[in-house]
Amino acid sequence: GAGVSQSPSNKVTEKGKDVELRCDPISGHTALYWYRQRLGQGLEFLIYFQGNSAPDKSGLPSDRFSAERTGESVSTLTIQRTQQEDSAVYLCASRGGGELFFGEGSRLTVL
Amino acid sequence: AQSVTQLDSHVSVSEGTPVLLRCNYSSSYSPSLFWYVQHPNKGLQLLLKYTSAATLVKGINGFEAEFKKSETSFHLTKPSAHMSDAAEYFCAFISSGSARQLTFGSGTQLTVLP
Repeated sequence: GAGVSQSPSNKVTEKGKDVELRCDPISGHTALYWYRQRLGQGLEFLIYFQGNSAPDKSGLPSDRFSAERTGESVSTLTIQRTQQEDSAVYLCASRGGGELFFGEGSRLTVL
Repeated sequence: AQSVTQLDSHVSVSEGTPVLLRCNYSSSYSPSLFWYVQHPNKGLQLLLKYTSAATLVKGINGFEAEFKKSETSFHLTKPSAHMSDAAEYFCAFISSGSARQLTFGSGTQLTVLP
């Protein structure tokens, strides 16, 4: 597609439920990143995928967070047993030509 | 530790006056530096990037930034602010010696007064 696409754009869930967020990167971009942005704060790195290499998971805040990506296609970020502190905008980016292109994010609200 | 620091969480300027958003970095290696802008409820857009070519980098919408190694700074400037410049601005870097993640500063909220 023309840009990085994320879905859903907004998600409201109850504490304890699992959520899945999707990122469709720009075609041909081998690198894909997930970031979390809490209200009024900067971007917090979560995970990085590069082609078929093992992902860099060093930013995942707990074992409730996981992400998958098959090859150079869609990535999903899964949050299990959501907590209120998980409420944030989750941003996905893919990299091409040394530049990161960001999606518009998925806003997660945990009640 | 390798990091980037934005010195001001909020900056307020009058329309037509200069803009200065400050960013300092800490890196043991030659960094690639970026400025991104985020308008409300929108994704991040790249304004400009420095990758060890010219130290004065020109970006979109009249913004520019100068890489000063002696000061470990990469401040963003614009000669004349426009109302549409009101947004959140993020400085970020990738260190050539690190993993490939892009590290962001905490952001500066720019307000432009009429």
